[in-house]
Amino acid sequence: EVQLVESGGGLVQPGRSLRLSCAASGFTFDDYGMHWVRQAPGKGLEWVSGISWNSGSTGYADSVKGRFTISRDNAKNSLYLQMNSLRPEDTALYHCAKDRYSSSWYTNSHGMDVWGQGTTVTVSS
Amino acid sequence: QSVLTQPPSVSGAPGQRVTISCAGSSSNIGAGYDVHWYQQVPRTAPKLLIYVNNFRPSGVPDRFSGSKSGTSASLAITGLQAEDEADYYCQSYDSSLSCWVFGGGTKLTVL
Repeated sequence: EVQLVESGGGLVQPGRSLRLSCAASGFTFDDYGMHWVRQAPGKGLEWVSGISWNSGSTGYADSVKGRFTISRDNAKNSLYLQMNSLRPEDTALYHCAKDRYSSSWYTNSHGMDVWGQGTTVTVSS
Repeated sequence: QSVLTQPPSVSGAPGQRVTISCAGSSSNIGAGYDVHWYQQVPRTAPKLLIYVNNFRPSGVPDRFSGSKSGTSASLAITGLQAEDEADYYCQSYDSSLSCWVFGGGTKLTVL
């Protein structure tokens, strides 16, 4: 079964850090570009970050650039999101997602066809 | 305010046809970037509904179709069913922002 399972969310104070993980199974992980997408409570989807199959290229939304870092370990079939200097507006459900076709995070994309159920990040004092 | 603009809500009776628009600009849809559509039932993960403007992943009924023209795209749903009640999002790449962008989402109500 093709599956993505996120972990690492929780309650954290503003300014602190958190590292999210996403465990992939059921597909050849290093064939595909991967993404993090978040959804604040009652709000829509927001793309956060993407990474190519070999970590050679990454991209970030302006709202997280310079604070968040995406990475992957193909040997462990895992995707990560290091989140520093967290702000209350980062409070959201964070999903990892796989590109349907592309090994890149931004070219030749066929959309995101596999999503995890998400891990909740709450930034509050 | 989203880079891609969708109507907040649409509705239709069972069996009817509805369309959801996604208005972009010359830096995303109008620049030739593909549009993907997602369906999200509350409290579940999004599901890829249409990819590359008008292709359906396996398992998606042919009641769902996508189109793209100029700086806009549309999702059409025919033969509305109660199970279609969900939030729908369009997605494209924006060259000015160098990132993926989603529309604000459209809530479909089946009357």
